[in-house]
Amino acid sequence: AQSVAQPEDQVNVAEGNPLTVKCTYSVSGNPYLFWYVQYPNRGLQFLLKYITGDNLVKGSYGFEAEFNKSQTSFHLKKPSALVSDSALYFCAVNRDNYGQNFVFGPGTRLSVLP
Amino acid sequence: ETGVTQTPRHLVMGMTNKKSLKCEQHLGHNAMYWYKQSAKKPLELMFVYSLEERVENNSVPSRFSPECPNSSHLFLHLHTLQPEDSALYLCASSHGSGIRSYNEQFFGPGTRLTVL
Repeated sequence: AQSVAQPEDQVNVAEGNPLTVKCTYSVSGNPYLFWYVQYPNRGLQFLLKYITGDNLVKGSYGFEAEFNKSQTSFHLKKPSALVSDSALYFCAVNRDNYGQNFVFGPGTRLSVLP
Repeated sequence: ETGVTQTPRHLVMGMTNKKSLKCEQHLGHNAMYWYKQSAKKPLELMFVYSLEERVENNSVPSRFSPECPNSSHLFLHLHTLQPEDSALYLCASSHGSGIRSYNEQFFGPGTRLTVL
């Protein structure tokens, strides 16, 4: 079975500082990894994904994530946080040849303080 | 929003009522999903339809009944729900079908369901 962990329920960072939201996964075979963001009263919005190739993936709104196979991690990063980045962030995993059965992490609430 | 609409946005129902949630996608996708989002719990995948055929059913109680009449529309029929079914129900769609699982999903805004 595949699983995703987001070890931090809440991350606080000051505006302008770099941010990291952590994600680790467990899956047999090649993982497909995703990050989504959810703003209040909205559905999830896709940020970026790792399928294959470069371990550093760049996505929307200046976010990037680094795939680390040995540590089974896919942490989300941004060099300079904005107050508007405050939201709920979800990591998700699937694996090759496994259909559409995505597994989402529990979410991490990011608060960017002015 | 992202081209996926859901109605109603809010629904309050008694345990003996029958209601339906509707989802429509305008993105030309061929896979659609129902998720349940409860407070303090991970997002739960309920049903997956690929090319209008149900391909996943993750041990969801029979009081939830999905319907996918075509690739643009998805319904979730509700009957004799329990208070613990109160949650945000999210619909999503994506390209791809079958075993291809690397396409991102586009989510609707959700229906906030309260069961009294």
